Amino acid sequence: GDSVTQMEGPVTLSEEAFLTINCTYTATGYPSLFWYVQYPGEGLQLLLKATKADDKGSNKGFEATYRKETTSFHLEKGSVQVSDSAVYFCALSANDYKLSFGAGTTVTVRA
Amino acid sequence: DTEVTQTPKHLVMGMTNKKSLKCEQHMGHRAMYWYKQKAKKPPELMFVYSYEKLSINESVPSRFSPECPNSSLLNLHLHALQPEDSALYLCASSPIGQGRGYTFGSGTRLTVV
Repeated sequence: GDSVTQMEGPVTLSEEAFLTINCTYTATGYPSLFWYVQYPGEGLQLLLKATKADDKGSNKGFEATYRKETTSFHLEKGSVQVSDSAVYFCALSANDYKLSFGAGTTVTVRA
Repeated sequence: DTEVTQTPKHLVMGMTNKKSLKCEQHMGHRAMYWYKQKAKKPPELMFVYSYEKLSINESVPSRFSPECPNSSLLNLHLHALQPEDSALYLCASSPIGQGRGYTFGSGTRLTVV
């Protein structure tokens, strides 16, 4: 079945450091890929998405590129801020309704 | 309006109580979802409504009863819950079709005592 594997956390960084969260997937067909972010005490927010191979999603300084050859969708940000502290979920959708999530990566950014 | 609104934000209920969670969206999305999220875990799909009809039930116990009165509203009726049902309950909506992305509400934090 469809599945998503993302790097285990927690990840702790200093402000202005570079952030990478690895995400790989297994799916039949051509899934759409997403990154969601969950701030403490809140619901999930769509951070970025990509719907076909080689698409790059970007938002708020975060980027991820849909790599079909490596079945990956790694999240990157060049300079993190304290406000980026959150849990990040990689997810895929291979049909109309179901969203398969990775386990989530907790990121803490220190001032 | 680009939000999914969930009420209440917090709910404490006894194991013999009946309560309801409410979800509302005005984005014209025709798919709506209930998810359950335990601490430090990803959300788990419970129910999917498509065009106001239940299309997916992920083998959820009958003490959870969903209802979709119209295209903007989604309810989750709760009865005879167990302490292990304590969790964050998230509502989401999306357009029909792969790749459109979900919009999630902020959730209802449910505690069963």
